[in-house]
Amino acid sequence: AQSVAQPEDQVNVAEGNPLTVKCTYSVSGNPYLFWYVQYPNRGLQFLLKYITGDNLVKGSYGFEAEFNKSQTSFHLKKPSALVSDSALYFCAVRDINGNNRLAFGKGNQVVVIP
Amino acid sequence: GAVVSQHPSRVICKSGTSVKIECRSLDFQATTMFWYRQFPKQSLMLMATSNEGSKATYEQGVEKDKFLINHASLTLSTLTVTSAHPEDSSFYICSAPTSGNSNQPQHFGDGTRLSIL
Repeated sequence: AQSVAQPEDQVNVAEGNPLTVKCTYSVSGNPYLFWYVQYPNRGLQFLLKYITGDNLVKGSYGFEAEFNKSQTSFHLKKPSALVSDSALYFCAVRDINGNNRLAFGKGNQVVVIP
Repeated sequence: GAVVSQHPSRVICKSGTSVKIECRSLDFQATTMFWYRQFPKQSLMLMATSNEGSKATYEQGVEKDKFLINHASLTLSTLTVTSAHPEDSSFYICSAPTSGNSNQPQHFGDGTRLSIL
């Protein structure tokens, strides 16, 4: 089955410093990978996706992610974190059957310290 | 962009009450919608896939008689938590893809916080 893993529980970073949220995947075939962000008591907002093409994907709010096939990773990055980036971040992979189902990682709480 | 509206945002009710949650796609048609449950500081657990005009597909371990899903139109799916009890308290979220193309992201409602007293 398709799955993703987010090994860290919480990521703390000082405002202005680079932010990285890690995600590794396990799939059969080519992966369709997504990052979503969730603010308190809200649904999920789409940040970016990798389907095919360039390994470096740029998304919303200055976020980007690098697809690394050899390391089976899709880490989310932002060069300079803002306090407003503090939220819960989810990595997800599309189900292999192409039925639009998503498998989510456990999520990472990001805390940006002023 | 595509918007999914979920209502109500918060429900507090007594044990034994049935609660209906609505999920609407506002500017696109959704033949499929998904219902998730999320516990505090945890990931989303897929409960069921709502299919327009046919029966919902439930994930293993989810009681279909407890969580009734109806997808009567291309823009509306409802989740009814029947005879809710405190253990049903949770954050429920719906989502919908804008097309059958699995390349496209899903769009999520803002969730419903259900608290059963």
